[in-house]
Amino acid sequence: AQSVAQPEDQVNVAEGNPLTVKCTYSVSGNPYLFWYVQYPNRGLQFLLKYITGDNLVKGSYGFEAEFNKSQTSFHLKKPSALVSDSALYFCAVSYRSARQLTFGSGTQLTVLP
Amino acid sequence: EPEVTQTPSHQVTQMGQEVILRCVPISNHLYFYWYRQILGQKVEFLVSFYNNEISEKSEIFDDQFSVERPDGSNFTLKIRSTKLEDSAMYFCASSPDRPAQETQYFGPGTRLLVL
Repeated sequence: AQSVAQPEDQVNVAEGNPLTVKCTYSVSGNPYLFWYVQYPNRGLQFLLKYITGDNLVKGSYGFEAEFNKSQTSFHLKKPSALVSDSALYFCAVSYRSARQLTFGSGTQLTVLP
Repeated sequence: EPEVTQTPSHQVTQMGQEVILRCVPISNHLYFYWYRQILGQKVEFLVSFYNNEISEKSEIFDDQFSVERPDGSNFTLKIRSTKLEDSAMYFCASSPDRPAQETQYFGPGTRLLVL
């Protein structure tokens, strides 16, 4: 069964500093990996995805993520955090054989001014 | 930019009542989904729908749940007899094609409270 782990419930970072939100996945075939962000009282907003090809994926709002097959990880990164990046971030996985997204538990990112 | 929309944004109901949650997917999308998020928990897949029939469903999606595309634009989730544990945020999503790798776009959600 596919699964995703986000080991940190909460990440705090100072504005202007780089941020990393961690995600690891279970291996079962070739995964498709996604990051979504959820602002308060809003739906899930797509940030970026990895399907195949270049391990470094660039997405919306300056975010990027690196697919690491040997470590089964897909960490979300941004070189310089903004206060407006404060939100709940979800990693998700799907596989060729399964259409549904399986989500991690979410990581609350707080960027401190 | 096209968006998935959902109505109502909030719904309060009594246990045992039927509720219908409505969604309008993005117009050229072919696959539709319902997910739910119980407060403080993960977002969980309920069901996917393609070509007017259920494509996949999870263990959560039991006989109390049903989905329908009653016309060319709406996609509904019906809960026949609500239970307290059905209280959650329900998200609709849609994707254009080849759904395993295509991005699913989510609506803002309907917060359902069962009393």
